[in-house]
Amino acid sequence: DTGVSQDPRHKITKRGQNVTFRCDPISEHNRLYWYRQTLGQGPEFLTYFQNEAQLEKSRLLSDRFSAERPKGSFSTLEIQRTEQGDSAMYLCASSSGLAGVRNEQFFGPGTRLTVL
Amino acid sequence: EDKVVQSPLSLVVHEGDTVTLNCSYEVTNFRSLLWYKQEKKAPTFLFMLTSSGIEKKSGRLSSILDKKELSSILNITATQTGDSAIYLCAVCGAGSYQLTFGKGTKLSVIP
Repeated sequence: DTGVSQDPRHKITKRGQNVTFRCDPISEHNRLYWYRQTLGQGPEFLTYFQNEAQLEKSRLLSDRFSAERPKGSFSTLEIQRTEQGDSAMYLCASSSGLAGVRNEQFFGPGTRLTVL
Repeated sequence: EDKVVQSPLSLVVHEGDTVTLNCSYEVTNFRSLLWYKQEKKAPTFLFMLTSSGIEKKSGRLSSILDKKELSSILNITATQTGDSAIYLCAVCGAGSYQLTFGKGTKLSVIP
């Protein structure tokens, strides 16, 4: 399977704990995105990388959230001091980023976070 | 701030019916509009429409972009139970690559 993969698929944690999620994009995709989705809502943009550079961050992304893509391949999203309001599905997507190539975003299966 | 409104929010039809889902948007310097299908997992890409292509077709699904009315429709003909899902519309503006999504339309196709 050469699609976007995410790990873990499910995470249950206690309030105040730190969690880290991983995303592996489609190989050779330069752009990688993180979204958050809660029940009854569409995905909400969090941040985006072009190769290893983090180029956009949503103003909704609090200081407790940090994302990295150190080698321009996989990415991690860390949430520090989790709160119950962080409970959501965290989706990763990737797109080509090459000039002249269609840039639709392809999504991974998501990581469902539950904060108790 | 970019905005996407989808209607209806939910829809129940019988197998074989034709349905039309609506999406209206506000975006700074429109780049593209995308439709996704979401079952109990991540969104699956259906169509991307840009200024250079106002209509797309794939089997029983088709989509039209109306740039004048700032809207798009997704048509599904001869619906099947497997079409039951949430259909998401998203827009992307120039100068950014983030997608702004609507809340989705939940389609239920009953036998």
